Amino acid sequence: AQKVTQAQTEISVVEKEDVTLDCVYETRDTTYYLFWYKQPPSGELVFLIRRNSFDEQNEISGRYSWNFQKSTSSFNFTITASQVVDSAVYFCALSELNTGNQFYFGTGTSLTVIP
Amino acid sequence: DVKVTQSSRYLVKRTGEKVFLECVQDMDHENMFWYRQDPGLGLRLIYFSYDVKMKEKGDIPEGYSVSREKKERFSLILESASTNQTSMYLCASMWDPSGNTIYFGEGSWLTVV
Repeated sequence: AQKVTQAQTEISVVEKEDVTLDCVYETRDTTYYLFWYKQPPSGELVFLIRRNSFDEQNEISGRYSWNFQKSTSSFNFTITASQVVDSAVYFCALSELNTGNQFYFGTGTSLTVIP
Repeated sequence: DVKVTQSSRYLVKRTGEKVFLECVQDMDHENMFWYRQDPGLGLRLIYFSYDVKMKEKGDIPEGYSVSREKKERFSLILESASTNQTSMYLCASMWDPSGNTIYFGEGSWLTVV
């Protein structure tokens, strides 16, 4: 079973629109970590954020914000006022304390921001 | 900043060739990983290593082997490359498994013809 589900395969938005990327995870551990990574066309996955399971406080970093809801097992990522440079593939990932070496990645959401 | 360097960005190899993909990290990380990325399949773990000379199979180890002779270096080996191994390969490293962040290299695009 997929531990991390990113149901949106591809999204296109027009520049300056807001966009939300969905991430649903599955775990039985009480201690776990959630991540978002950005992969621009160059290929390197760039770390964006890490949250632990005990901290449900939403986070904002510039135009980026993350909504962590344990009740729905979701960790959604919103880009406000999107820009062309936001075009990339975005991956959500889960790391469980009990299987510490393992990262479980979603299949990614490809975001295209149209100028 | 953490730096994970993959020696080759683009490679073209023939079927049956032995292929080495090299990865070096500069942050004294204990854990290193090799992933394969294919469209629609996301990232799949091939092998990982939590210490020098230690290795563990990931989800898709068949057709691959690894070597970790030094802490900073983790090599992926395709003993006899096949066309179904054409893919993007990503190396990564992490300090320790306790929920720490994993850092990736730029990726190696391998084409087997």
